[in-house]
Amino acid sequence: AIQLTQSPSSLSASVGDRVTITCRASQDIRNALVWYQQKPGKPPKFLIYDASNLDNGVPSRFSGSGFGTHFTLTISSLQPEDFATYYCQQFYTYTFGPGTKVDLK
Amino acid sequence: EVELVESGGGLVQPGRSLRLSCATSGFTFKDYAMHWVRQVPGKGLEWVSGISWNSETEDYADSVRGRFTISRDNAKNSVYLQMNRLGAEDVALYYCAKAKHYDILSGPGDAFDMWGQGTLVTVSS
Repeated sequence: AIQLTQSPSSLSASVGDRVTITCRASQDIRNALVWYQQKPGKPPKFLIYDASNLDNGVPSRFSGSGFGTHFTLTISSLQPEDFATYYCQQFYTYTFGPGTKVDLK
Repeated sequence: EVELVESGGGLVQPGRSLRLSCATSGFTFKDYAMHWVRQVPGKGLEWVSGISWNSETEDYADSVRGRFTISRDNAKNSVYLQMNRLGAEDVALYYCAKAKHYDILSGPGDAFDMWGQGTLVTVSS
């Protein structure tokens, strides 16, 4: 089974900070990696697919990169509405990462 | 506007069954695979099951295989999850999600691009 790990599990940041979240796969998943954002009491929101392609309407401060087993989600300048939990998911067997909670420092 | 509305959750005794429904609108339902994902409140996301556009392909997480059955009715724009032999480990908020792709297990190019608000399943005697 393909496992995903995320680091860090949580981070504290300020508005305007650059934030990077890492997702690692236990085996090669090429670019079949998706990122979601979830806020409390809400369903996940789709952000990025194929590791680096932003969904329509996702702000350009979000970016994704990586291939194979190592992936990153970067928020170039954190905004108040970005405080949330972020999950990666691989699209061969649909495993999710454990999530990274981004909160206010 | 795309909408997915789950229903059918509730309190059920251990060992009993429950059928979840997800009614959709705002997109051509028959063209897309559909999935169920669950989340224990305060915890992470777990993929449960997926079904291809024409119902020819289904897949399940190991944790539910043999107990849960996914189905869809393209005439009713709905997807279902029949859950049998429910246990404490099945307590969660169950979301239905629309895929970008028409098939399942297709690798790159896919994502769960729209989600419902979820329906809560509680298992207790």
